[in-house]
Amino acid sequence: GIQVEQSPPDLILQEGANSTLRCNFSDSVNNLQWFHQNPWGQLINLFYIPSGTKQNGRLSATTVATERYSLLYISSSQTTDSGVYFCAVFRGSTLGRLYFGRGTQLTVWP
Amino acid sequence: DGGITQSPKYLFRKEGQNVTLSCEQNLNHDAMYWYRQDPGQGLRLIYYSQIVNDFQKGDIAEGYSVSREKKESFPLTVTSAQKNPTAFYLCASAGGTGTEAFFGQGTRLTVV
Repeated sequence: GIQVEQSPPDLILQEGANSTLRCNFSDSVNNLQWFHQNPWGQLINLFYIPSGTKQNGRLSATTVATERYSLLYISSSQTTDSGVYFCAVFRGSTLGRLYFGRGTQLTVWP
Repeated sequence: DGGITQSPKYLFRKEGQNVTLSCEQNLNHDAMYWYRQDPGQGLRLIYYSQIVNDFQKGDIAEGYSVSREKKESFPLTVTSAQKNPTAFYLCASAGGTGTEAFFGQGTRLTVV
């Protein structure tokens, strides 16, 4: 299978700080997504980004498929940004499997 | 509203009983997935299905069974053979090749 590694595993920030989360993957992929798991456990879709750069408010993501990594940027952190951020990739010529990284636990203090 | 519905949100069962978790989607997606999450851990794939009447084992299929009789539905049965079934279970669906996947709200299963 494909290996998905996320770093850092834990991140603690003061409100207002910026942060960068990284996702490395071991082989070519069809799709890459970033999710935020909220305190109730639900996975919220942040970005569907197989390549290129996208922005949504204070969040942006960049995927460099040829170098097999993706970055999630969070600017001006808020306490509501706390939670676990997961990177997931699709691999395969058919629908295939969705492979997850272990996640980054983000804690934002007021 | 389009989306994925998992039910129930919370489920309590006695050890030795089989239990079935429901997952329904109205997104017209072909692929559906079941994941298990333990406290402080990532997501592990149990089963997935790419088409009706077909499904594949994931990494931790032992003690679980699934069916895919309808495109909209992918129920997961946690059998008595599953040694440690207490966990958070998440269902997902996706459309065509490499398209965006969406998750339900999850079911927290506690076996006592």
